[in-house]
Amino acid sequence: EVQLVESGGGLVQPGGSLKLSCVASGFTFSGSAIHWVRQASGKGLEWVGRIGGRGNNFATSYAASVNGRFTISRDDSKNTAYLQMNSLKTEDTALYYCVRSPDGYNLAYWGRGTLVTVSS
Amino acid sequence: QSALTQPPSASGSPGQSVTISCTGTSSDVGGYNFVSWYQQHPGRAPKVIIYEVSKRPSGVPDRFSGSKSGNTASLTVSGLQAEDEADYYCISYAGSKNFVFGTGTKVTVL
Repeated sequence: EVQLVESGGGLVQPGGSLKLSCVASGFTFSGSAIHWVRQASGKGLEWVGRIGGRGNNFATSYAASVNGRFTISRDDSKNTAYLQMNSLKTEDTALYYCVRSPDGYNLAYWGRGTLVTVSS
Repeated sequence: QSALTQPPSASGSPGQSVTISCTGTSSDVGGYNFVSWYQQHPGRAPKVIIYEVSKRPSGVPDRFSGSKSGNTASLTVSGLQAEDEADYYCISYAGSKNFVFGTGTKVTVL
């Protein structure tokens, strides 16, 4: 069974940093792209970014709203993906989902999310 | 990259059909056959119900169907059931490994 478990969320002040983790199981992690998607309370889904698998040279891409502030990485030896968030703003407050994409395009398997709150 | 445009709400009685549109541009919806649709119930993670415009993952009822014409993709739910009441989102590939979600549609079963 495919499982994705996010962790690392919490309360952080504006301008601060936070690093989210996504531990995967039930599939060959190295072969899948991993996306991060966020959802503010009562709002819609927003694509944050993605990292490709080994076959895609671990290429990363980001939404304009987070480009330059957020960095996605992965450690295939630990079946874990990360989302490093710097220079956080109040508008980054959201539930952050880790999503597996077997082919890079279909966001097929979702974790349950971890909540990030940016507030003073 | 601007969010794809979806109607805020849609509704239908049990057994009826409802169609949700997802309008983008030639740089996203119109340029690629990588449009997916997600169903999200309150407090739950989204679930893919359509991918690559019209393909259904195993386990998704054939009441759900997808299509695309030009810069607009559509999701049709036929034979509406109470459990179809949820939020629905489209997402499209937008080139250069970027993606963009739709604004979301709340479907109500009357």
